[in-house]
Amino acid sequence: GEDVEQSLFLSVREGDSSVINCTYTDSSSTYLYWYKQEPGAGLQLLTYIFSNMDMKQDQRLTVLLNKKDKHLSLRIADTQTGDSAIYFCAESMNAGNMLTFGGGTRLMVKP
Amino acid sequence: DADVTQTPRNRITKTGKRIMLECSQTKGHDRMYWYRQDPGLGLRLIYYSFDVKDINKGEISDGYSVSRQAQAKFSLSLESAIPNQTALYFCATSDATGAYGYTFGSGTRLTVV
Repeated sequence: GEDVEQSLFLSVREGDSSVINCTYTDSSSTYLYWYKQEPGAGLQLLTYIFSNMDMKQDQRLTVLLNKKDKHLSLRIADTQTGDSAIYFCAESMNAGNMLTFGGGTRLMVKP
Repeated sequence: DADVTQTPRNRITKTGKRIMLECSQTKGHDRMYWYRQDPGLGLRLIYYSFDVKDINKGEISDGYSVSRQAQAKFSLSLESAIPNQTALYFCATSDATGAYGYTFGSGTRLTVV
């Protein structure tokens, strides 16, 4: 079955880089996503990567995908206090399949 | 207006009561979903619908039912609420490909006492 795992908590200082990690078990995963959830809000899609890519960069965000190890990471450069939130990774086997979510990583950014 | 609107935002109800959570979307998408969020467990799928005539159970459908009243509306009901249904509930929508992720509502925080 599908399983997506994340560490529960990450604390960084403002201005540092944050790296949030995710592992998944389904080698058929085709689409992998990162969502951000701010307090009192729903999940907001941050970025996604297709399995035929190994890296995607979007401004301060860098997504790295290691298909061999089934490992996905999200790097946030120059982390700001506004980046404090819960970050979820999610995967789906193909377009049209339901997403399977990890448990979420709470990022705390200290001034 | 938000793309996905959930009502109510917060609700406290008593054990055994019937409660309905409502969701509407303005994205024009066919697909809608109901998820439940519990701390440390991520999001778990309750029910999903790929179009008005299509309803499917997710991984944790017991104790819940849904109604897809229109393309834009998908409601979740708890027929007889119990305390372990206390959670944050999210509605989401996606297009037919699902490839570009889901759009989520802001959630309904439900407390069953």
